[in-house]
Amino acid sequence: NAGVTQTPKFQVLKTGQSMTLQCAQDMNHEYMSWYRQDPGMGLRLIHYSVGAGITDQGEVPNGYNVSRSTTEDFPLRLLSAAPSQTSVYFCASSTRLSGFGMNTGELFFGEGSRLTVL
Amino acid sequence: AQTVTQSQPEMSVQEAETVTLSCTYDTSESDYYLFWYKQPPSRQMILVIRQEAYKQQNATENRFSVNFQKAAKSFSLKISDSQLGDAAMYFCAYKRGAQKLVFGQGTRLTINP
Repeated sequence: NAGVTQTPKFQVLKTGQSMTLQCAQDMNHEYMSWYRQDPGMGLRLIHYSVGAGITDQGEVPNGYNVSRSTTEDFPLRLLSAAPSQTSVYFCASSTRLSGFGMNTGELFFGEGSRLTVL
Repeated sequence: AQTVTQSQPEMSVQEAETVTLSCTYDTSESDYYLFWYKQPPSRQMILVIRQEAYKQQNATENRFSVNFQKAAKSFSLKISDSQLGDAAMYFCAYKRGAQKLVFGQGTRLTINP
């Protein structure tokens, strides 16, 4: 019962390098999103997707790209890493299904990825 | 834009006692969800309790309960009979529509044995 899986869990980059954080879910959820967590600021939404082929920006999208080619996967790309992108990143998913007792509104989170940019 | 405010950066409580974490939010909507998430040192985000705004009854999950005051836009979490395993960061969150969760800044809860 995997749920939401993020890789890698830890990564160290040099300024200017690129990388992709992977996120996969096996719950057939329509909605997927990426958050970053910084001390004293809670979690902030970077990008989100309401279904395959559809993405949109969240609160802090600059410096990040996303795509959603399948329902299961939602990778987050850093094209040119900067020290300000040092953070813990969380992927989350949820279902749009509604109906009595079906949609609890809950987001299911991955275990997080700690990224350090030197 | 919706905002969520947790005014207590840190709280501490003696084991077996009761503690209340505060949360206020700002919204013009009438239908939404509110959540409390727990984040232990493992970093995993764990759902503690949820509240649908249309329900007047306060949600309860075992030792965890909320005081939901819709008019005051307040959503506090009460933890009864505190246990060492309750030590964690606690985040209050607001959700309207599909999936955008807006988080508060978090409250670090320490349990003193």
